[in-house]
Amino acid sequence: GQNIDQPTEMTATEGAIVQINCTYQTSGFNGLFWYQQHAGEAPTFLSYNVLDGLEEKGRFSSFLSRSKGYSYLLLKELQMKDSASYLCAALDSNYQLIWGAGTKLIIKP
Amino acid sequence: GAVVSQHPSRVICKSGTSVKIECRSLDFQATTMFWYRQFPKQSLMLMATSNEGSKATYEQGVEKDKFLINHASLTLSTLTVTSAHPEDSSFYICSAPVAGVGYNEQFFGPGTRLTVL
Repeated sequence: GQNIDQPTEMTATEGAIVQINCTYQTSGFNGLFWYQQHAGEAPTFLSYNVLDGLEEKGRFSSFLSRSKGYSYLLLKELQMKDSASYLCAALDSNYQLIWGAGTKLIIKP
Repeated sequence: GAVVSQHPSRVICKSGTSVKIECRSLDFQATTMFWYRQFPKQSLMLMATSNEGSKATYEQGVEKDKFLINHASLTLSTLTVTSAHPEDSSFYICSAPVAGVGYNEQFFGPGTRLTVL
């Protein structure tokens, strides 16, 4: 079956760096998305990776290893507003998004 | 970026009533829209794919007679929860894809919180 695994919850300190991991098993693969979702709101797009390697976008970076079925989202210089759930989603061979349950990130001052 | 709106943002209804949720793409046309349901602390669950001018495609386990989808125009899809029950209480989110460079980015509506008493 198809599956996305990511930690349920993580805690980090304001100003620090945090890495949120995601492993995936899908029928075919057409890329991996990271979304941010604040409580009670809809997800917003953060990044898309389809090739191996690191994509940097400001304070956020996303990494992909297709051979390992692995991705991570790296958040630097954490701010209180970064407290949210971070959703990993893989695009399978039918271009259907397979969603992870999300990682709740708690930022402490 | 593209904007997707949803209405209403929050609805409380009695058990047995029907509730209609609208999803609109405000500044682009969407031949396809997706309807998701999200229970607390759980992932997004795709319910159905709404196709303009044709029948919706439902995911396994989703009752098409209970969750009626109509994609009447290139900017509007509606989800009607018929004879709602308390177990239908959830966060319903729609999304529409916009073609990017090599991928389709999903733009999400703000969601509709449905509470069935």
